[in-house]
Amino acid sequence: SQQGEEDPQALSIQEGENATMNCSYKTSINNLQWYRQNSGRGLVHLILIRSNEREKHSGRLRVTLDTSKKSSSLLITASRAADTASYFCALSGNTPLVFGKGTRLSVIA
Amino acid sequence: EAGVTQFPSHSVIEKGQTVTLRCDPISGHDNLYWYRRVMGKEIKFLLHFVKESKQDESGMPNNRFLAERTGGTYSTLKVQPAELEDSGVYFCASSPPMGFNYGYTFGSGTRLTVV
Repeated sequence: SQQGEEDPQALSIQEGENATMNCSYKTSINNLQWYRQNSGRGLVHLILIRSNEREKHSGRLRVTLDTSKKSSSLLITASRAADTASYFCALSGNTPLVFGKGTRLSVIA
Repeated sequence: EAGVTQFPSHSVIEKGQTVTLRCDPISGHDNLYWYRRVMGKEIKFLLHFVKESKQDESGMPNNRFLAERTGGTYSTLKVQPAELEDSGVYFCASSPPMGFNYGYTFGSGTRLTVV
């Protein structure tokens, strides 16, 4: 399958804790992207990491990419209730973005 | 800069009826994509326009779905006749030329319910 697979499917944490989500894939990629979807809303692009990059930061987000293991992780530090959403990794190769099934994150205040 | 706009935000129709969804991409974005998410499942690719041309329509489920992008601006996705399994959220996204180096900008989606 071309799509990424996020792990875990669901994650529940307390506000202030860190949340880590993982994405594994099987194909070669140009870049890997992470998106967030709040309930009832569209997808929001969070961060893009290119295949020749290993780590990238954006605010409270930290993304790593290991192309040898074909895996990526998204770390959200100091989580907030507003971070409650579904998070998707998306693979960019020679075709339009292919999305995984997502990780449902619940941050409890 | 205006984002990607989708209309309507919700649509409830009866099985057998026709529905047309519209997407207005960001001005200057040659690439326009349609995706669909059926309840609780993955976000599935439907098709990709480059300007007015269909670059990839491999994800279109069947011939009841027709997408157009006349003049390379806005796009429409028509479902005719609608079936129950067509229910879901339809997302449109756009990206600049050489889109694979950029993230996509998504609209808020159209929630389609076929009853």
